[in-house]
Amino acid sequence: RKEVEQDPGPFNVPEGATVAFNCTYSNSASQSFFWYRQDCRKEPKLLMSVYSSGNEDGRFTAQLNRASQYISLLIRDSKLSDSATYLCVVNPGNTGKLIFGQGTTLQVKP
Amino acid sequence: DAGITQSPRYKITETGRQVTLMCHQTWSHSYMFWYRQDLGHGLRLIYYSAAADITDKGEVPDGYVVSRSKTENFPLTLESATRSQTSVYFCASNGGAGNTIYFGEGSWLTVV
Repeated sequence: RKEVEQDPGPFNVPEGATVAFNCTYSNSASQSFFWYRQDCRKEPKLLMSVYSSGNEDGRFTAQLNRASQYISLLIRDSKLSDSATYLCVVNPGNTGKLIFGQGTTLQVKP
Repeated sequence: DAGITQSPRYKITETGRQVTLMCHQTWSHSYMFWYRQDLGHGLRLIYYSAAADITDKGEVPDGYVVSRSKTENFPLTLESATRSQTSVYFCASNGGAGNTIYFGEGSWLTVV
């Protein structure tokens, strides 16, 4: 079983739609969680950290469920510019090492 | 401007040649990483380093060598390049546990 698993998609949605991505992780001792965004042929960049109480940044909402070892990202009112691959990222222990999921591809269509 | 830079950005080499990809960061981050990204595999960790002179294997270390004599540099060497090492290589760094990881722009390597 992979340490971090995501549905690769692709998710094809119309502009204005709400879309949710899920991610599961295997190490229950994992401490830190992030969502990264990667555009085609570019480096991954931090979208947002994920906090235990859940957190929101504009149209983006991240949730963490430690009991189920599950992270989610909700995007409301999708824009064409949201088209990208979204990577779930987990810090499995007390080091700087991060584990990346395979990524979920989102394509927002007009 | 501070950041993390990789060189070369694009490289074509022949099978069997030695290739070194350079990575330099200006934040004095303790951790540095090398990932490769291939279609269908996502980002896979090759090697990482927790500090100068400390390195450790990641998920796919075979065929690669790293060193970290200075905190700011973390070169990756392919000792004898193979076609299966054709990939995009990303260097990254962070300041420690719980911290955000920052990536370089990537090095596109083609082995012919």
